[in-house]
Amino acid sequence: QQQVKQSPQSLIVQKGGIPIINCAYENTAFDYFPWYQQFPGKGPALLIAIRPDVSEKKEGRFTISFNKSAKQFSLHIMDSQPGDSATYFCAARGSNYQLIWGAGTKLIIKP
Amino acid sequence: DVKVTQSSRYLVKRTGEKVFLECVQDMDHENMFWYRQDPGLGLRLIYFSYDVKMKEKGDIPEGYSVSREKKERFSLILESASTNQTSMYLCASSPPHSGNIQYFGAGTRLSVL
Repeated sequence: QQQVKQSPQSLIVQKGGIPIINCAYENTAFDYFPWYQQFPGKGPALLIAIRPDVSEKKEGRFTISFNKSAKQFSLHIMDSQPGDSATYFCAARGSNYQLIWGAGTKLIIKP
Repeated sequence: DVKVTQSSRYLVKRTGEKVFLECVQDMDHENMFWYRQDPGLGLRLIYFSYDVKMKEKGDIPEGYSVSREKKERFSLILESASTNQTSMYLCASSPPHSGNIQYFGAGTRLSVL
């Protein structure tokens, strides 16, 4: 119930393509769903986040799609660039304000 | 800008040694966290603290302890390091009653030989 399942584990996309990373959860008490981006040698940093009363949120080239009934959410990166190559983590906030993390997706954008 | 500083980027220790990992944040955040990051396992919470001298166990506290004597500093202690504690350790802080945004340090890569 406390898990967040993230897929795929790794992803290679050509520049300009649209990588999609998926996450699924079971606990309907989760109330906030952030995505973090981590570059090599750095800690994760908040990229974009969504609340469950919204079905989509866009910030620049990054979009979260949220399906409350399916308990799934996904990250889409439009017009992907080599500089987007990083590890991406989805997460969900539980009732005690802690974040439950997905396992991460290593994304490589090929020039 | 929020800054979370971890004292070491790389550490090499021997089995059985006592290891201290230090973390300092400069934004007066109440909440601080220690995570362990391993490939394919994501971030696993070891301990967290909501206030000075306060600590709570996370998902994998065995073999670790923490200390928070000052608001800005949160230390992770490996009482007797073992090879299965070889990992990347990440410290984070966040404002009170939030958990919305956690600010991370760059991490300490610990190797236990």
